[in-house]
Amino acid sequence: GAGVSQSPSNKVTEKGKDVELRCDPISGHTALYWYRQSLGQGLEFLIYFQGNSAPDKSGLPSDRFSAERTGGSVSTLTIQRTQQEDSAVYLCASSERDPSYNEQFFGPGTRLTVL
Amino acid sequence: DAKTTQPTSMDCAEGRAANLPCNHSTISGNEYVYWYRQIHSQGPQYIIHGLKNNETNEMASLIITEDRKSSTLILPHATLRDTAVYYCIVRVPMASGTYKYIFGTGTRLKVLA
Repeated sequence: GAGVSQSPSNKVTEKGKDVELRCDPISGHTALYWYRQSLGQGLEFLIYFQGNSAPDKSGLPSDRFSAERTGGSVSTLTIQRTQQEDSAVYLCASSERDPSYNEQFFGPGTRLTVL
Repeated sequence: DAKTTQPTSMDCAEGRAANLPCNHSTISGNEYVYWYRQIHSQGPQYIIHGLKNNETNEMASLIITEDRKSSTLILPHATLRDTAVYYCIVRVPMASGTYKYIFGTGTRLKVLA
């Protein structure tokens, strides 16, 4: 079946604009994760959704960042009033359930460039 | 939060075992250790995970010290395709009932022909 998909694959925006990044997890996966990877750096955990439970948002870097997951499936990560330091690859991953027993499957990422 | 420390880079001869260390000295008893790798321009790929016991699968072995303060990922017979950045990760339970995954800075493994 299809893997995790993300759109757009690349996004170039001007400083101060809002952007929305989309993630379609693997069908049937109840857990969904967002990460940020800056150039040459490791992954920074942002947020984790498990089913319909409210996510813990404490990993989000600022209040300009927000994420939603509608119907327990598709997720959108929104960055308001983008800054140049927001430039990074944003990765989404999903897993079947409690990730103690299941690996995360990553999407190809969205490369965000803020000019 | 538990933090992981990894060497920045390592080289390994093709066909030899690659041993990648990770320190996680502040890990708590309910925090799992995961390993993922990332090949250039691709999303990370799961390798293995464990809590206390050593684990082995078709890709690798994970050796966790008895005090859980460090672990070693072993690729028994490294190939050129194993060249990648290897991340050691700690999964931290959060008050909300969800989890936070803390990635290390990764070890860039280069397998040499």
